[in-house]
Amino acid sequence: EAQVTQNPRYLITVTGKKLTVTCSQNMNHEYMSWYRQDPGLGLRQIYYSMNVEVTDKGDVPEGYKVSRKEKRNFPLILESPSPNQTSLYFCASSFPQTGELFFGEGSRLTVL
Amino acid sequence: GNSVTQMEGPVTLSEEAFLTINCTYTATGYPSLFWYVQYPGEGLQLLLKATKADDKGSNKGFEATYRKETTSFHLEKGSVQVSDSAVYFCALSAFNDYKLSFGAGTTVTVRA
Repeated sequence: EAQVTQNPRYLITVTGKKLTVTCSQNMNHEYMSWYRQDPGLGLRQIYYSMNVEVTDKGDVPEGYKVSRKEKRNFPLILESPSPNQTSLYFCASSFPQTGELFFGEGSRLTVL
Repeated sequence: GNSVTQMEGPVTLSEEAFLTINCTYTATGYPSLFWYVQYPGEGLQLLLKATKADDKGSNKGFEATYRKETTSFHLEKGSVQVSDSAVYFCALSAFNDYKLSFGAGTTVTVRA
């Protein structure tokens, strides 16, 4: 089954404790992206990757890191989480220039 | 820059009512336009799309027509069901650009 898998789905952590949200897709997509969803703000892009070893900042990259060492994986790293990073995070992937993003089920992160 | 503005919600309807969600966009060139739907507890999924002016996208009884003269892509459904309760996002992708710009989302609740 074609899918984008994120883990963990839910996480409560404390300020400053490094965490990683994993994302994996099995559709051989070149393009992958991370979004955060906040009430009234819709989806905002954090980082994206056009292919292996190619990443770039989205609209709200501060406080986040990513890596793309393999085509299927695109982890989101929060080196020192802060409460303003409490949000619902989505990973998505697609073939280039189709606009049809496939989304994971989301990871709800709470930073205390 | 590219942006999407969609009507604010929430929208509450009775079953079999007519639904319309307004979406207007600002973009250079000729973007592709999309509607994504997010059912409770799930990630977003593509509902329909249109890639050029006057195209009509349709799926699951929903329709939207790409109107370049009014820079709009309004979503409509003639008779909604309880199962249509979801958050709906309008989005655009500029020509030759991987990135999708999303609207803030409109929450729709359909009551039996």
